[in-house]
Amino acid sequence: AQKVTQAQTEISVVEKEDVTLDCVYETRDTTYYLFWYKQPPSGELVFLIRRNSFDEQNEISGRYSWNFQKSTSSFNFTITASQVVDSAVYFCALSEGQIQGAQKLVFGQGTRLTINP
Amino acid sequence: ETGVTQTPRHLVMGMTNKKSLKCEQHLGHNAMYWYKQSAKKPLELMFVYNFKEQTENNSVPSRFSPECPNSSHLFLHLHTLQPEDSALYLCASSQLPLSGVTDTQYFGPGTRLTVL
Repeated sequence: AQKVTQAQTEISVVEKEDVTLDCVYETRDTTYYLFWYKQPPSGELVFLIRRNSFDEQNEISGRYSWNFQKSTSSFNFTITASQVVDSAVYFCALSEGQIQGAQKLVFGQGTRLTINP
Repeated sequence: ETGVTQTPRHLVMGMTNKKSLKCEQHLGHNAMYWYKQSAKKPLELMFVYNFKEQTENNSVPSRFSPECPNSSHLFLHLHTLQPEDSALYLCASSQLPLSGVTDTQYFGPGTRLTVL
């Protein structure tokens, strides 16, 4: 069965520090997709990134970067020079490729990130 | 309106009430989802609709009744709820997977439900 583990329940850092959020997944499928979402206090899940299992290139988007390593089944998320606005709960999610029917996302428990000024 | 909208944003109801949550997507998607987010559990998928047809019901109690009249609108009808049903209910939409390629789910802001 699919499973996503975000072992860090809460992280608190001071503004401008770098912080890495860990995500470890389990799946038996060879084709799958990984996602990161941000949930600010307003409640909406904001899509950050999607990565398929065949693309192990790391990605950088501004202060955000993602490190996908199939060998360790990990998809970690790093925020560089953190800002107070980065404070939120971050979710990692896994979806197996579907041909018929809709996709199913399995979410980790989330990591609550607090950036202190 | 853009993206996925949900109304109401907050709802307080008694256990004997009947209420409905509404979700509307403006993204041209053809799949819609209801999720439940409780304080101490990960996000749980409740219902999935493809082209208005329900394809997934993750053993959700019958006191939750979904309705999808078209690919842009999704409702969750609530009746005789329990206090443990208090949670954030999130709606999402996506394009259906094509040839095994999964599309991204986009979420609404959620309805914060409190059952007294």
